[in-house]
Amino acid sequence: SAVISQKPSRDICQRGTSLTIQCQVDSQVTMMFWYRQQPGQSLTLIATANQGSEATYESGFVIDKFPISRPNLTFSTLTVSNMSPEDSSIYLCSASMRQGMGEQYFGPGTRLTVT
Amino acid sequence: GQNIDQPTEMTATEGAIVQINCTYQTSGFNGLFWYQQHAGEAPTFLSYNVLDGLEEKGRFSSFLSRSKGYSYLLLKELQMKDSASYLCAVRKGGGTALIFGKGTTLSVSS
Repeated sequence: SAVISQKPSRDICQRGTSLTIQCQVDSQVTMMFWYRQQPGQSLTLIATANQGSEATYESGFVIDKFPISRPNLTFSTLTVSNMSPEDSSIYLCSASMRQGMGEQYFGPGTRLTVT
Repeated sequence: GQNIDQPTEMTATEGAIVQINCTYQTSGFNGLFWYQQHAGEAPTFLSYNVLDGLEEKGRFSSFLSRSKGYSYLLLKELQMKDSASYLCAVRKGGGTALIFGKGTTLSVSS
């Protein structure tokens, strides 16, 4: 299994600013992902964080708004840029092992409120 | 396209058995997952089916029929702490992320 930590756990930000969320996994994992969960909703995949290369974004999400880094096998960051109240959500980091064929684990999430 | 459907809400009483169904239509299939999520917490892994049949793990069991695009999560001997959202998710291919359904909110009453 993998234990995933995220920082910050929550934040309140002003419109137009940016926030970078950090994700640390306690073991080397093959795949890392970022999800968004809006209030009362299920999880929506933002992107797959690829080590050493550009992230792969899902439809509706773009790199300029959600730049992602993954410099090594255990760490990734997601930046929410030029925030608006619609970006208020929980952002979850996720990871899977065994070449992405096994279980997928989740971090505790970052609760973001944009005012 | 892809579609993962599950009921929005279910209610049950302590000690009972409840079955949460999930149907899926995806462009690929490499496993079906069930997660439990309590309010304000991250999803926690419950079960994973990649082959047809029943997987049992304590009070929880999960069933998969790939030909029917159908799975269910069976919860036995319900407890109040089982009140949570239950998320069905599909992995479309090896090394790809899970795609989630909208989740089923289960309320267990005494």
